[in-house]
Amino acid sequence: DAGITQSPRHKVTETGTPVTLRCHQTENHRYMYWYRQDPGHGLRLIHYSYGVKDTDKGEVSDGYSVSRSKTEDFLLTLESATSSQTSVYFCAIKTGTWGYNEQFFGPGTRLTVL
Amino acid sequence: AQTVTQSQPEMSVQEAETVTLSCTYDTSESDYYLFWYKQPPSRQMILVIRQEAYKQQNATENRFSVNFQKAAKSFSLKISDSQLGDAAMYFCAYRSNYGGSQGNLIFGKGTKLSVKP
Repeated sequence: DAGITQSPRHKVTETGTPVTLRCHQTENHRYMYWYRQDPGHGLRLIHYSYGVKDTDKGEVSDGYSVSRSKTEDFLLTLESATSSQTSVYFCAIKTGTWGYNEQFFGPGTRLTVL
Repeated sequence: AQTVTQSQPEMSVQEAETVTLSCTYDTSESDYYLFWYKQPPSRQMILVIRQEAYKQQNATENRFSVNFQKAAKSFSLKISDSQLGDAAMYFCAYRSNYGGSQGNLIFGKGTKLSVKP
């Protein structure tokens, strides 16, 4: 258990509404990630962070923004949710040192956009 | 860009038997890691095994082992003495050790493994 929690765990929202998902870690790891998982696509990287206020885009970043004002929290925001953003969202942290490191995942958030 | 391909969307194995899940990848890099993750119905992503590209020896973790063929860019997972608890989605993943994206994982689409009692 790498001490990663995600909130909420489930959310149903309507098209056009803003949504924020929270990832919280307890171990002060520098790197944090947001992925989405869709059937037939595996997991795809949305955004990642390599420190407080340091973030970068991943493969599927359109329609998403992130913020990291504290080491322990990484927020994913959908400014105006669309049905195509219905997915399961995973947060991950990277542990270890340069080269030899691993990613551990949170429990996931299932988001449904109606 | 690197890609990871899992050509078997679904596999089935009899309890106590052995099954091999396939994974191929495409990269021009020489320094990277490969991983297998397990995702049971609980949805939790669990790291099963890792392989460093520079290591000749295939990684082993209890009943799980890999066949890493670097020249062929192949990274298969063998599960021996399959158990009902092995039923899950299995994802192969690639991670480069180069550049600013160091640490970002690239996943295959997954293989759903069923275990028959």
